[in-house]
Amino acid sequence: VIWMTQSPSLLSASTGDRVTISCRMSQGISSYLAWYQQKPGKAPELLIYAASTLQSGVPSRFSGSGSGTDFTLTISCLQSEDFATYYCQQYYSFPRTFGQGTKVEIK
Amino acid sequence: QVQLQESGPGLVKPSGTLSLTCAVSGGSISSSNWWSWVRQPPGKGLEWIGEIYHSGSTNYNPSLKSRVTISVDKSKNQFSLKLSSVTAADTAVYYCARAPGDHPAFDIWGQGTMVTVSS
Repeated sequence: VIWMTQSPSLLSASTGDRVTISCRMSQGISSYLAWYQQKPGKAPELLIYAASTLQSGVPSRFSGSGSGTDFTLTISCLQSEDFATYYCQQYYSFPRTFGQGTKVEIK
Repeated sequence: QVQLQESGPGLVKPSGTLSLTCAVSGGSISSSNWWSWVRQPPGKGLEWIGEIYHSGSTNYNPSLKSRVTISVDKSKNQFSLKLSSVTAADTAVYYCARAPGDHPAFDIWGQGTMVTVSS
């Protein structure tokens, strides 16, 4: 099983801020990593796959980087609709696993 | 576009079997995608349960494998989840999701259905 450490678990930020969320793997996964956004009462939505490829329709203020064991999700200019919980997920091996989540809240 | 819709009982008794179905619309379940179940206990994170291909090939989470069966019904364009011997720990929102074969991140999700295990 590949374990994932996502940090921070809670991030307080203001509209317009640049925020960064980290995801570290217990072993290398090449670039087989995705990032999701989840709002309360809603299903997760795919933001980024293959570590850095933006899913169609996702605003360009979202970006992903990294490979191997260390990955980062960056939101360049936080908007009001971006306050949500974010999860990383590896699809390099089975079982598929998710990070614990990062809640981005209004400061 | 492809949409997924979960259905099934919202309440299951302890030691019983949880049964859910995910209907696929706007596309064929026989396309080059894997079809997954993911769950989320109240206030907690996401857990992958397992997946199926239209051929019937499956992959399961080892933590649940002894209790899980995922099946596909191509004639109805749907796939299903059965989870046996449920306990309160299985109370969660259950999502079905699609993962394309080339980059199997979950690109389409159902809205989710809440299942409570209680007598």
